[in-house]
Amino acid sequence: EVQLVESGGGLVQPGRSLRLSCTASGFTFRDYAMSWVRQAPGKGLEWVGFIRSKAYGGTIEYAASVKGRVTISRDDSKSIAYLQMSSLKTEDTALYYCSRVASSGYLLAFFEYWGQGTLVTVSS
Amino acid sequence: EIVMTQSPATLSVSPGERATLSCRASQSVSSDLAWYQNKPGQAPRLLIYGASTRATDIPARFRGNGSGTDFTLTISSLQSEDFALYYCQQYNNWPYTFGQGTKLEIK
Repeated sequence: EVQLVESGGGLVQPGRSLRLSCTASGFTFRDYAMSWVRQAPGKGLEWVGFIRSKAYGGTIEYAASVKGRVTISRDDSKSIAYLQMSSLKTEDTALYYCSRVASSGYLLAFFEYWGQGTLVTVSS
Repeated sequence: EIVMTQSPATLSVSPGERATLSCRASQSVSSDLAWYQNKPGQAPRLLIYGASTRATDIPARFRGNGSGTDFTLTISSLQSEDFALYYCQQYNNWPYTFGQGTKLEIK
């Protein structure tokens, strides 16, 4: 059974940094692209970024709204994906989901499996 | 950026009846369209991809249709567990975008 468990969320002050983790199990982690998607309170879903598998260079794509402030990485030996966020703003307050991405080679597609999310609250 | 517009925002339907949810793209996304179900406190679940292909273990009462700019998700004979939020998402063009969601509630 595919499982994705996010952790690392919490209350953080504006301008500070936070690192989220996504621990995967039930599949061969290194073979899949992973993604982060967020949902602000009362709002819809917003894609944050992808990281491809090492087989496709481990390349990363970011949404314009977070580019320059977030870094996605992965540790295939531990089956963990990370989302490092810096210079946090109040508008970054959201439930952050990790997702396994369906892909066709280099091309990324939809979000096959999701975790339950970890809540990040940015407030002074 | 492709804008995905879902309608209606809220849909009230009685159990056992059929619900039809709509999703429109601001430009063609071919058949690169997925639908997700989201319940509070739970992980979102992939229902449909490729506009009409059901994901693993998704019941046959969920049916996706459409191509280009207009898509529908039809849920026949609604069960109690089907009342939730539903999102469409295009993966034809960067950045991948979601609709704002349709809340399916019990009438």
